[in-house]
Amino acid sequence: NAGVTQTPKFRVLKTGQSMTLLCAQDMNHEYMYWYRQDPGMGLRLIHYSVGEGTTAKGEVPDGYNVSRLKKQNFLLGLESAAPSQTSVYFCASSYSNLAQPQHFGDGTRLSIL
Amino acid sequence: SQQGEEDPQALSIQEGENATMNCSYKTSINNLQWYRQNSGRGLVHLILIRSNEREKHSGRLRVTLDTSKKSSSLLITASRAADTASYFCAILGDGNKLVFGAGTILRVKS
Repeated sequence: NAGVTQTPKFRVLKTGQSMTLLCAQDMNHEYMYWYRQDPGMGLRLIHYSVGEGTTAKGEVPDGYNVSRLKKQNFLLGLESAAPSQTSVYFCASSYSNLAQPQHFGDGTRLSIL
Repeated sequence: SQQGEEDPQALSIQEGENATMNCSYKTSINNLQWYRQNSGRGLVHLILIRSNEREKHSGRLRVTLDTSKKSSSLLITASRAADTASYFCAILGDGNKLVFGAGTILRVKS
């Protein structure tokens, strides 16, 4: 019973490099989310998806892209990493709508040098 | 801003004592949710309270909501060392997106 799985757990990048964070859920949830968590701040929504093939911008979308080609997977891409993107990234999912509780993965700790 | 503001920022208590955390917000809400985050882990949902509800219980947790004061409180009774974590309130407002506060760090000393 995995729930929400994020890979990788840790990563160090150099400025300008690109990478993709992977999120997989096995709960058949329609909605999936990407957040970033920075010290002293709450989680901030980057992008979200209300179903396979759909994505939408959240509060802080600049510098990130996402794709939801399969219902169970939600990918977050950084095309050209910047030090300001150093953060802990969390993926979450919910069953059918934004009002329902969200289930979180354990995060990806990303450092951009 | 829809963001909830938790108070206090940090709380340290002895095992067996009660812990109370508060969340204030500025806009109308659809529901308010409380989450727990253990160090190095993801958030775990605790309780959801709708705008037309005033109180909900789950085990040792009690959540109240006062929409006239735009505030909510989370009470953990008979705290245990395992309750040591960060606690976040999250507001679902008219924008229909969940907005998280900065959290309260709870330390329960054994």
